[in-house]
Amino acid sequence: DQQVKQNSPSLSVQEGRISILNCDYTNSMFDYFLWYKKYPAEGPTFLISISSIKDKNEDGRFTVFLNKSAKHLSLHIVPSQPGDSAVYFCACGANNLFFGTGTRLTVIP
Amino acid sequence: DSGVTQTPKHLITATGQRVTLRCSPRSGDLSVYWYQQSLDQGLQFLIQYYNGEERAKGNILERFSAQQFPDLHSELNLSSLELGDSALYFCASSPNRISSYEQYFGPGTRLTVT
Repeated sequence: DQQVKQNSPSLSVQEGRISILNCDYTNSMFDYFLWYKKYPAEGPTFLISISSIKDKNEDGRFTVFLNKSAKHLSLHIVPSQPGDSAVYFCACGANNLFFGTGTRLTVIP
Repeated sequence: DSGVTQTPKHLITATGQRVTLRCSPRSGDLSVYWYQQSLDQGLQFLIQYYNGEERAKGNILERFSAQQFPDLHSELNLSSLELGDSALYFCASSPNRISSYEQYFGPGTRLTVT
């Protein structure tokens, strides 16, 4: 039973435009939410996080939004750059992390 | 470079065999986590160790076991291997037991069972 879902396996965006990656979860006990980025042949690297007491967290070009009532979080990347091309995983935590299946972002120069 | 190392990078073995994957956490991190990523799947949490003790178990098969040694490195043992065990196995570490959230991942071990 997949508690964390990323329904878009891939996304293509032009350089300079906004990338929006989405994630849905089912467990209302999750209290911390993260995004990880993964390049080929490397492990995932932590990107940005948000706790359940907030609805927005911003770090440079990256912003994570949390809608607890909808059990939905999203990652906005503005402006998108070719180096952002990677697989993005959302992860939701209570005591342990549950990961989505990932969205492959391609930023087209 | 996350500071987490995993060996070997690649492993090819036959069904029914046993293998050991090794992980060294970041300096100072006491928690080690093991994950499995099969094709087109997300990362599935297998098990967590904190300072040598098992702390949490996820979807880990009985054929799999792990341990964390006094020097904090960890090993994941996979036995009676099946074709479906072919996957990427990641190790991650974090500083403490409670905050498992910001985990630092190693580069992974790719296991192929033929």
